[in-house]
Amino acid sequence: AQRVTQPEKLLSVFKGAPVELKCNYSYSGSPELFWYVQYSRQRLQLLLRHISRESIKGFTADLNKGETSFHLKKPFAQEEDSAMYYCALIRAVAGGTSYGKLTFGQGTILTVHP
Amino acid sequence: KAGVTQTPRYLIKTRGQQVTLSCSPISGHRSVSWYQQTPGQGLQFLFEYFSETQRNKGNFPGRFSGRQFSNSRSEMNVSTLELGDSALYLCASSNQGPLSYEQYFGPGTRLTVT
Repeated sequence: AQRVTQPEKLLSVFKGAPVELKCNYSYSGSPELFWYVQYSRQRLQLLLRHISRESIKGFTADLNKGETSFHLKKPFAQEEDSAMYYCALIRAVAGGTSYGKLTFGQGTILTVHP
Repeated sequence: KAGVTQTPRYLIKTRGQQVTLSCSPISGHRSVSWYQQTPGQGLQFLFEYFSETQRNKGNFPGRFSGRQFSNSRSEMNVSTLELGDSALYLCASSNQGPLSYEQYFGPGTRLTVT
């Protein structure tokens, strides 16, 4: 069975400080990994996915298959980054289609202080 | 493109009643997934529909059911409501292309069972 663990329920940093939100996963196959973000009073939205290897809003995440981790990083946190962050995994089925089941971690509430 | 919409946004029901929630996916998206979000359990997958067929199911009792129509709109039904069913119910749609695992979430329906 697939499982996603976000060890920190709460994370507080000051503006301008680096931030790292941890995510570890367990899955025997080949997963696709995502970070979703939920700002106050807004819907859950995709922040980034590992396959695209892009930086969104200054955030990056590298998939480390050896450590089964997908930590989210930003070198200089901003106050507007304060939100709930979810790491999620989906089963990548041969042929490139998935079956719609995202497995989420418990989430990390990031607070960036001025 | 209009985003995923869910109706109603808020609902109050009594134990033992049943409830139907509705989700309209992004135009062109054929996959709809449903999730339950609670403070204690986080985000949990309920089921996924694709082309009117349930393709994947989470670990929820049979009281939770769903369906999808030919226009990809989906409904979720919960019968014999229990207090523990109080939650935010999210639906997400995806276009399920060859490399598309991205799910786009609706604002959710907040169900309160009294």
